[in-house]
Amino acid sequence: QVQLVQSGAEVRKPGAAVKISCKASAYTFTSYAMHWVRQAPGQRLEWMGWINAGNGNTKYSQKFQDRVTLTRDTSANTVYMELSSLKSEDTAVYYCARQNFGSIRWFDPWGQGSLVIVSS
Amino acid sequence: QSVLTQPPSVSAAPGQKVTISCSGSSSNIGSNYVSWYQQFPGTAPKLLIYENNKRPSEIPDRFSGSKSGMSGTLGITGLQTGDEADYYCGTWDGSLSAWVFGGGTKLTVL
Repeated sequence: QVQLVQSGAEVRKPGAAVKISCKASAYTFTSYAMHWVRQAPGQRLEWMGWINAGNGNTKYSQKFQDRVTLTRDTSANTVYMELSSLKSEDTAVYYCARQNFGSIRWFDPWGQGSLVIVSS
Repeated sequence: QSVLTQPPSVSAAPGQKVTISCSGSSSNIGSNYVSWYQQFPGTAPKLLIYENNKRPSEIPDRFSGSKSGMSGTLGITGLQTGDEADYYCGTWDGSLSAWVFGGGTKLTVL
């Protein structure tokens, strides 16, 4: 079945960067866009942006525009999310989620999540 | 403050029915499909309803969705204690050029 497996938990100091991976399996990787969503402790889901796994085009939420970079490695069926200039408020679980085929309408499936802790 | 407004919590007894609303605007729900996600504590969200009212094959028909104007609604009948979770609505917002989620609703089955 379609599966997204993310990298493990990370601990970073304020001002550092973190890069999380999301490996896809059981579907044609380049045919779907991948989104990233984060959830701070006890908070709502927050959309960060997406990458077209086929051509590498990206679109970012205005909130994260200056700090997030999404990339993909088609040979490894893997998408990466890098967040820079980390602050304590970036402590959250980060999820990748596959978009439906075609224009954006829903996300399924989701990765298991990667916890990022930002602390001095 | 979320672009989509959901009640923070709802509750009902086992076997009863509950509805969760998701209110938006013409730039989001009014012109795009609504999807719903179920999230248990410590786990990833799971797609529950897509394109306003469609269910993935593995989702029981106790779950339903609808949309009217600028609001979407999730309905759950025959409530079970295992339905206790957080529920989020989501859609594309054309004005923001961004995907938006509701603030989430915590369902308690008393």
